[in-house]
Amino acid sequence: SAVISQKPSRDICQRGTSLTIQCQVDSQVTMMFWYRQQPGQSLTLIATANQGSEATYESGFVIDKFPISRPNLTFSTLTVSNMSPEDSSIYLCSVSPQGRSYNEQFFGPGTRLTVL
Amino acid sequence: AQKVTQAQTEISVVEKEDVTLDCVYETRDTTYYLFWYKQPPSGELVFLIRRNSFDEQNEISGRYSWNFQKSTSSFNFTITASQVVDSAVYFCALSEEASGSARQLTFGSGTQLTVLP
Repeated sequence: SAVISQKPSRDICQRGTSLTIQCQVDSQVTMMFWYRQQPGQSLTLIATANQGSEATYESGFVIDKFPISRPNLTFSTLTVSNMSPEDSSIYLCSVSPQGRSYNEQFFGPGTRLTVL
Repeated sequence: AQKVTQAQTEISVVEKEDVTLDCVYETRDTTYYLFWYKQPPSGELVFLIRRNSFDEQNEISGRYSWNFQKSTSSFNFTITASQVVDSAVYFCALSEEASGSARQLTFGSGTQLTVLP
């Protein structure tokens, strides 16, 4: 499996500010995904981070609120913009390694975000 | 549209008991993949198993076993002789082959398992 790291592991932020979360993988991966897990809830896909092109967002998520970058095959960032307390969640990066089935996904340790 | 239902919100057992976590899925695709993940209190998602829709053989890995029944659209997970370290939230997830290049996962709502000493 791929080794995935996320920074920061947790943060407490003020309303109206923005936070950028980094996801680093130890090998090249075809697909990278960003999920949100609100307190006590399941995981919801925010977007697919495409290398070299714009991210593909799921219904209910927009680029202005969650801009994503994917400059290469091992790295991606997710920014949570103009934060409100409703954005308090765990944000998880997920990857599908190259050479493996697209359907095999591994998750990073997550970033716990609290917005005051 | 795909959907995953985990009807058991919380389960509590005493150590050494066997426990089965239920997962029922809905999909229109003939090719799909089913997953189980474990999320301990630390928050990290741990991959447990992936099965494709063409392989209905049950699988056993140590104290873990999985029962895949296409006829009932279920993919249940059994822990034998449970241990306190098994306490976690367990998620069942589904990915459809025909969902395009994204291949994203649809998760169930999760089952909180508590194993008491």
